[in-house]
Amino acid sequence: NAGVTQTPKFQVLKTGQSMTLQCAQDMNHEYMSWYRQDPGMGLRLIHYSVGAGITDQGEVPNGYNVSRSTTEDFPLRLLSAAPSQTSVYFCASKLAGGPYNEQFFGPGTRLTVL
Amino acid sequence: DQQVKQNSPSLSVQEGRISILNCDYTNSMFDYFLWYKKYPAEGPTFLISISSIKDKNEDGRFTVFLNKSAKHLSLHIVPSQPGDSAVYFCAAAGGATNKLIFGTGTLLAVQP
Repeated sequence: NAGVTQTPKFQVLKTGQSMTLQCAQDMNHEYMSWYRQDPGMGLRLIHYSVGAGITDQGEVPNGYNVSRSTTEDFPLRLLSAAPSQTSVYFCASKLAGGPYNEQFFGPGTRLTVL
Repeated sequence: DQQVKQNSPSLSVQEGRISILNCDYTNSMFDYFLWYKKYPAEGPTFLISISSIKDKNEDGRFTVFLNKSAKHLSLHIVPSQPGDSAVYFCAAAGGATNKLIFGTGTLLAVQP
C-alpha cells in the first residue's frame, strides 16, 4: 500500500494563478480531508468528504474548492491564489465511523504564493 | 476561535527525563482526544488517544491523562528519547463525527 500520496511536494505560484493539489489513497477509506499548517495556527481543516460525491466545508474553506468523484482521489483547487494561501497542505484519509479509526496523513505539499 | 489550545509552543527536556505536553479545550461536546506526532517534512502520525469515559490511557512510554472538569489533557513521555524530538499536536472530536479539530502544536526537543 502506498497509503496517502500527495503531488506536488513543492509549488510556487504567482498571485491570481490557479492550481490543483492532488491527493490519492489506496486504503479504500471513505473519509478524506484537507488541512493547512501555518506557524502558530496548527492544523486547520479546509474541506472534507465522507464519500464519493459528498463534500463539506471545514474551518477555513474560503478560496478553496474540492470534489470527490472517486473513493481514491480528493483534489484541492485554488481558483485564484493569494499570498495568504502560502502554507503546507496535508491530505488525510480514514475509515468513516467516528474518530476512533486512525487518520493517515500524506507527506504534504509546500505552497508559496508570491 | 481556537477550540483546542496548546499554550506552550516549545519544550526542551533532557534525555531520560519526563516530557509533559499540555492541551486545553473549550468545547464541552468533545469526547474523544488524540495526540499526533510530526517530524519535519513528513505528515503527522497517530500516537495515542483517549475517550472521555477514561481519565488515563497508557501505551509504552506514552501516557495521556484527561481532566474533563478542567477541560485539560496532557501527554507524558517517560523516559524521553532524542527520537521523540518532533512537533506534537493534540486533537479533539465530538460525538460520532469523523472531523478532528487540532491544536497549534508543541515542538519538543529532547537533548542528549
